[in-house]
Amino acid sequence: AQSVSQHNHHVILSEAASLELGCNYSYGGTVNLFWYVQYPGQHLQLLLKYFSGDPLVKGIKGFEAEFIKSKFSFNLRKPSVQWSDTAEYFCAVGSGGSNYKLTFGKGTLLTVNP
Amino acid sequence: EPEVTQTPSHQVTQMGQEVILRCVPISNHLYFYWYRQILGQKVEFLVSFYNNEISEKSEIFDDQFSVERPDGSNFTLKIRSTKLEDSAMYFCASGNSDTQYFGPGTRLTVL
Repeated sequence: AQSVSQHNHHVILSEAASLELGCNYSYGGTVNLFWYVQYPGQHLQLLLKYFSGDPLVKGIKGFEAEFIKSKFSFNLRKPSVQWSDTAEYFCAVGSGGSNYKLTFGKGTLLTVNP
Repeated sequence: EPEVTQTPSHQVTQMGQEVILRCVPISNHLYFYWYRQILGQKVEFLVSFYNNEISEKSEIFDDQFSVERPDGSNFTLKIRSTKLEDSAMYFCASGNSDTQYFGPGTRLTVL
């Protein structure tokens, strides 16, 4: 069975600080990897995704993530956060194909102080 | 940009009552999903639906749950006899290939 771990429950940063949120997964086969973001009062939005190819993927709003197969990790990064990045971030794994379930991590709440 | 919509945004019901949660997926999507998130817990997969039938369901999705696509636009989740532990945020998602797009959710409160 798939599982996803997000080790940071709540991260507090000041504006302009660098961000890295950890995500580890366990699954025996080919995976698709996702980061979703949920801004306060809004729905889950896709931030970025990895299916294959370059393990460094770039998403919206300056976010990027690196897939390291040997570590079963897909950490999210941003060099300089803004107050508007305050949100909850969810890592998710899908088993591939065109119709599959997503397995989510518990989420990391990011608070950015101005 | 097209979005998945869900109604109602908040539903309060008494234990044992039936509820129907409604979703309008993005119009050209073929795959539909329901997830739920109990407060403080992970977002959990409930069911996937394709070509007018269930593709996969989790162990949570027991006989009390059902899904339907009654017309060309709506996708519904029915809980026949709600329990206290069904209180959660329910998210609908739709997709066409390898990415799922989520609706804003319906908060279900069972009293």
